[in-house]
Amino acid sequence: AQTVTQSQPEMSVQEAETVTLSCTYDTSESDYYLFWYKQPPSRQMILVIRQEAYKQQNATENRFSVNFQKAAKSFSLKISDSQLGDAAMYFCALQGGSEKLVFGKGTKLTVNP
Amino acid sequence: DTGVSQDPRHKITKRGQNVTFRCDPISEHNRLYWYRQTLGQGPEFLTYFQNEAQLEKSRLLSDRFSAERPKGSFSTLEIQRTEQGDSAMYLCASSIQTGPAADTQYFGPGTRLTVL
Repeated sequence: AQTVTQSQPEMSVQEAETVTLSCTYDTSESDYYLFWYKQPPSRQMILVIRQEAYKQQNATENRFSVNFQKAAKSFSLKISDSQLGDAAMYFCALQGGSEKLVFGKGTKLTVNP
Repeated sequence: DTGVSQDPRHKITKRGQNVTFRCDPISEHNRLYWYRQTLGQGPEFLTYFQNEAQLEKSRLLSDRFSAERPKGSFSTLEIQRTEQGDSAMYLCASSIQTGPAADTQYFGPGTRLTVL
């Protein structure tokens, strides 16, 4: 079975500062993909960033970057220059062996002005 | 693209009633997924379609749940004889298969079901 664990139920950050959200996973698949999704309050889930497991280079998307440690099965998300609009639930997700996504329980991020 | 749409956005029903939800994927997306999200949890996979074929169902999916995608476009999810434990947000997502790499799934706003 594939599992995704997000050990931080809540995190907070000051506007313009940097925050890192943690995610660990477990899979027996050799070919898999990892995702971070953002779910703002009462709004739909949107993709933040994705990482192919076969790629050694960490993915980046503007202020968002990941630290992918394959051996440790760790996939953390770093948000730089945090903005008020970054406040949301963040979900880490794994896809491998089938088309379905397996999600963690999420981390609620609060951005303080 | 107009995005994934779901209807209704909210549904309140009494225990034992049947409910049906609809999902319209992004046009030309050939894959469609249903997930369920309860309070404080991440989404949980229910089932997925490629075109009109239902290719995978969660083992956790009760026989009371059925999904269809008759023409490979919109999909419906029906829950028969609803129970209070069915109360959740039902999310639909769609994607387009572009090659061997994993698709990116685009989510709709969800249908929030409350069973009284």
